[in-house]
Amino acid sequence: AQSVTQLGSHVSVSEGALVLLRCNYSSSVPPYLFWYVQYPNQGLQLLLKYTSAATLVKGINGFEAEFKKSETSFHLTKPSAHMSDAAEYFCAVSEKGYSTLTFGKGTMLLVSP
Amino acid sequence: GAGVSQSPSNKVTEKGKDVELRCDPISGHTALYWYRQRLGQGLEFLIYFQGNSAPDKSGLPSDRFSAERTGESVSTLTIQRTQQEDSAVYLCASSLVAGLDQETQYFGPGTRLLVL
Repeated sequence: AQSVTQLGSHVSVSEGALVLLRCNYSSSVPPYLFWYVQYPNQGLQLLLKYTSAATLVKGINGFEAEFKKSETSFHLTKPSAHMSDAAEYFCAVSEKGYSTLTFGKGTMLLVSP
Repeated sequence: GAGVSQSPSNKVTEKGKDVELRCDPISGHTALYWYRQRLGQGLEFLIYFQGNSAPDKSGLPSDRFSAERTGESVSTLTIQRTQQEDSAVYLCASSLVAGLDQETQYFGPGTRLLVL
């Protein structure tokens, strides 16, 4: 069985500060890992995904994430937060050859001026 | 092109009534998924369809929940005899294929269901 843990239901940063959203996973097989973002009253939008190629994955809007097998982590980072980054972020895992996603509970990112 | 669409966007119903939620996937996407997002929770997988194969219903929480899909097009999620704990946002997603590398699921805006 696979699972995802996102540390911190809310993360607050100042505009221009580093964004770090934590995600740890468990999976019995090599996983695929995803970060999605959800803006208010909108569906989920894919930020980036890891599918066993490069361990450092670059996504949209300046976000990136690094797959660390030894730490079973896939933390999301952005060097400089922007007000428009305020949203809820979900980490998800799927097992190769099986399609459904298992999501974490989400982290709400708050960005202050 | 058009993304995944869902209707209605909001639904308020009384306990015990049946509801139908609709999802229109991206044209050409063979795989379709339903998820549920309850307040303060992550998304829970409900059911997925892949082409003409038998759907994976392993995530449906009770026999009050059912879903249908006509070919590779529209899907309907039906909840019978709704309960207050069914209140949630129901999200639909579609992808080109299921279970292959590089697959990405594209999500609709969801249907917010409130059971009074």
